[in-house]
Amino acid sequence: GAGVSQSPSNKVTEKGKDVELRCDPISGHTALYWYRQSLGQGLEFLIYFQGNSAPDKSGLPSDRFSAERTGGSVSTLTIQRTQQEDSAVYLCASSKQGGLAGNTIYFGEGSWLTVV
Amino acid sequence: QQQVKQSPQSLIVQKGGISIINCAYENTAFDYFPWYQQFPGKGPALLIAIRPDVSEKKEGRFTISFNKSAKQFSLHIMDSQPGDSATYFCAATIKNSGYSTLTFGKGTMLLVSP
Repeated sequence: GAGVSQSPSNKVTEKGKDVELRCDPISGHTALYWYRQSLGQGLEFLIYFQGNSAPDKSGLPSDRFSAERTGGSVSTLTIQRTQQEDSAVYLCASSKQGGLAGNTIYFGEGSWLTVV
Repeated sequence: QQQVKQSPQSLIVQKGGISIINCAYENTAFDYFPWYQQFPGKGPALLIAIRPDVSEKKEGRFTISFNKSAKQFSLHIMDSQPGDSATYFCAATIKNSGYSTLTFGKGTMLLVSP
C-alpha cells in the first residue's frame, strides 16, 4: 500500500499475555519509529530504527517491551506479560531518512491495545 | 520532564474565527518544529513546519509564528472551519548522532462549531 500499514488495528488481551504489533512502513523508507499514544498524554517516543538496527531504544518503558525490524522493512513491537497500563494506541511511523528536519514523517493509523 | 508544553488542552472556536494554539520549549538544541493534525481513528499527519531561523510560515489558512528568544511557537488557523475539528500536536526535533526524533506536546482538541 501507499501508506504505513499497522496490524492489528484493535487488540484486546488479558493481563499477563504477550502481544505482537506489526508495522509495514512505506516502501523505501529506511527510518522507522514506534510511538505510544495514551489518552491525554500525547505521543511518547518508544524506539527508532535505521535499517535493521535500533540506535535509539531509550523510550522503551520497561524490559517487557522489545522491537525488531527485519529486511529493513517490517517491524514488530512485542509486549510481554501485558499490564493494564500498557493500554494505549501504538503508532508506527516512517520517513525516508533518519534526519527528520525537512523530512516528512508518515504515521500509520495505529494499533489500539486494550489490556483487561 | 515534558520538553514541549502545549496549551490550551482544548479549544472551541466558532466557524470563521481564528484558532490559536501555543507551544513552548526549553531545549535550544531543537532544530525543527512541525505541527501535526490528527482526526479520530487516524494517525497524526504533518500539517506545517518551521525552522528556528524563520519567524513565520504561512500555508493557506495555517500560519506558524516562531519566537526564538522566547522559545515559543504557535499555530494560527484563520477562518476556522468545522472540518478543522481535530487534535493538533506541536512537536520539536533534536538531532542525535545523525538522526532526529520527534518530541510532541500533549495535544489540543479543537472543535469548530458551525
